[in-house]
Amino acid sequence: KQEVTQIPAALSVPEGENLVLNCSFTDSAIYNLQWFRQDPGKGLTSLLLIQSSQREQTSGRLNASLDKSSGRSTLYIAASQPGDSATYLCAAPSGSARQLTFGSGTQLTVLP
Amino acid sequence: EAQVTQNPRYLITVTGKKLTVTCSQNMNHEYMSWYRQDPGLGLRQIYYSMNVEVTDKGDVPEGYKVSRKEKRNFPLILESPSPNQTSLYFCASRDWDSGGVSTDTQYFGPGTRLTVL
Repeated sequence: KQEVTQIPAALSVPEGENLVLNCSFTDSAIYNLQWFRQDPGKGLTSLLLIQSSQREQTSGRLNASLDKSSGRSTLYIAASQPGDSATYLCAAPSGSARQLTFGSGTQLTVLP
Repeated sequence: EAQVTQNPRYLITVTGKKLTVTCSQNMNHEYMSWYRQDPGLGLRQIYYSMNVEVTDKGDVPEGYKVSRKEKRNFPLILESPSPNQTSLYFCASRDWDSGGVSTDTQYFGPGTRLTVL
């Protein structure tokens, strides 16, 4: 059964800093991994999806990497802004890919 | 605009009173699912549906029912709600098929905050 862990659970940084969020998964037989953003009291918004054939995926100031062999993915946020404050979740498919398993998320606060 | 809608957004009810949370998507996706989100436990899948009339249990199906009579709708039914079902519920629609030609992007509804007294 897939297990997904995110460390740290919470992170507070001053505006302008570059930061890295971590995601680890136990079943490396995945064909993709997704990162989501959740604002307080809101639904999840898909940020990046990395296929297993890729090592990185970029969208604006966000860069996600995937290392299947080590069971890890990272989300890099460049030049953080207060508007980046949210909870970031990663999700990996189960072996059958019919289900997605989510991590508990990292709550990011960017201080002005 | 690609959209997943849920109703109601907020619901307070009492133990044992049957309720239904509706979910609808406008993207013609075959795959839909329901999650609950609880502090410290993250998002856990309740049920999912691969297509019309095809549903399957997720990780926490006890106390819930679903139906998929139409492609766009996937209601969540609590026949006899209990206080431990107080949670934030999300419906999601996923652009995925087993043939692997989809984007596999998931779209989430805005959530339904349920309180069972």
